[in-house]
Amino acid sequence: DSGVTQTPKHLITATGQRVTLRCSPRSGDLSVYWYQQSLDQGLQFLIQYYNGEERAKGNILERFSAQQFPDLHSELNLSSLELGDSALYFCASSVQGLGGYTFGSGTRLTVV
Amino acid sequence: AQSVTQPDIHITVSEGASLELRCNYSYGATPYLFWYVQSPGQGLQLLLKYFSGDTLVQGIKGFEAEFKRSQSSFNLRKPSVHWSDAAEYFCAVGANNQGGKLIFGQGTELSVKP
Repeated sequence: DSGVTQTPKHLITATGQRVTLRCSPRSGDLSVYWYQQSLDQGLQFLIQYYNGEERAKGNILERFSAQQFPDLHSELNLSSLELGDSALYFCASSVQGLGGYTFGSGTRLTVV
Repeated sequence: AQSVTQPDIHITVSEGASLELRCNYSYGATPYLFWYVQSPGQGLQLLLKYFSGDTLVQGIKGFEAEFKRSQSSFNLRKPSVHWSDAAEYFCAVGANNQGGKLIFGQGTELSVKP
């Protein structure tokens, strides 16, 4: 157990739907990162939050949004889902900035 | 543009043999370099990292990596591979002026023959 908890582990949903992925960072870590892993795109950085504030943004679609709550857990919201959104979504956390993340085990999203 | 290239998509080595996984990066600033390992169905685990100083970095599980600025490389090595090392390996680069964002290579899948 890495200490980063992601729920759910698997999610199957239909096109056009909206889902929420949840991440609880390792105790003491203030930064949360979201990554998407797919066969064609590899691991792509989506967004970073630090202590509740957005710190960095990658190629995150407008249909996707995220937030970090006062208790430091984070949620990634994916809406108007398309088949191409099927992927593994990883959350990672760190104390601050670079230093090496700790990854969760991911949420596998399948859009049908 | 920042990028990381792992030239080998798949490598097979015999158990007990040495291993070298290649990583080349393109980055304007002084890079922070990482190697991660991913076992099937698992998240990524940090093997080692390089920020500055000694260019030969020791990591967990007997891995090491060498930073060569002149070649823009950060190759991962292990002197003797174990069957449990079979996994996918990712090289990543970041910079302190970009928060914690990492750019990952496409990964190298390692198979180990008995």
